Amino acid sequence: QVQLVESGGGVVQPGGSLRLSCAASGFTFSSYAMYWVRQAPGKGLEWVAFIRNDGSKTYHADSVKGRFTVSRDNSKNTLYLQMNSLRAEDTAIYYCAIDGGAYDFGYWGQGTLVTVSS
Amino acid sequence: QTVVTQEPSFSVSPGGTVTLSCGLNSGSVSTSYYPSWYQQTPGQAPRTLIYSTNSRSSGVPDRFAGSILGNKAALTIAGAQADDESDYYCVLYMGSGIWVFGGGTKLTVL
Repeated sequence: QVQLVESGGGVVQPGGSLRLSCAASGFTFSSYAMYWVRQAPGKGLEWVAFIRNDGSKTYHADSVKGRFTVSRDNSKNTLYLQMNSLRAEDTAIYYCAIDGGAYDFGYWGQGTLVTVSS
Repeated sequence: QTVVTQEPSFSVSPGGTVTLSCGLNSGSVSTSYYPSWYQQTPGQAPRTLIYSTNSRSSGVPDRFAGSILGNKAALTIAGAQADDESDYYCVLYMGSGIWVFGGGTKLTVL
C-alpha cells in the first residue's frame, strides 16, 4: 500500500537550517509529482512547494521562496525539503503529499514537526 | 492577494445535510480552479475527499459530494454522522504553480 514517511523535523534556532525527507513506497515514485504542505500549531493548511515527477520543474510559495528548496531523488524514492534561514513563523507540521493528477493532494504522509525557537 | 474563504464553523444535526462553501475574496470559483476538499481530525493527517470539483477520492462514501454553487465551490455532506465532526479544507489551483488553501471549516455534529 502507499506509504509516505516524513522525517528530519526537530527544534532549530532562528536563522538555522533543516532538511526534511519523505520516504515513499507502495507506488512508482518517479511517475508522480509531489508536494509539501505545512500546518502551524492550531492553524490551517498552507501549500509550501511542488515538484514534477522528474524534478524538472518546481514551485514554492511566496512565504518560503528563496529560503526553502524542494528536490527529489527518484533512485531513492525520496522527496526532500531544504529549509534555510528559518523563522519562528516556519514552526509547523510539514506533510508530504502525492499529486492526485488533478492539481490535488491525493495522499498524505503523517507529517514531521519543525519547531523554530531559541 | 488571493484569499480563499470558508465558513470558520458550522454545525449539523445527526442525519442532517450540510453544505460548506469555498469562495474567493475577488471573483468566482469555477471548475478551472480544480477545487478539492480535505477532511482532518485532530492529530491526524488530512484525508482527501473530493478532487476536480466533484470527483470522490477512493473509499469516500457517496454522502460526500462536491459541486459549484453560485460563485463558490461547495462540499455537501448528507446523512451527517458523529465521525464527520472534523475540520474541512478546500484548496484552489490558481495557475502558474500556485495553490491556495482556505482557512478551514470546523464542523460540529450535534
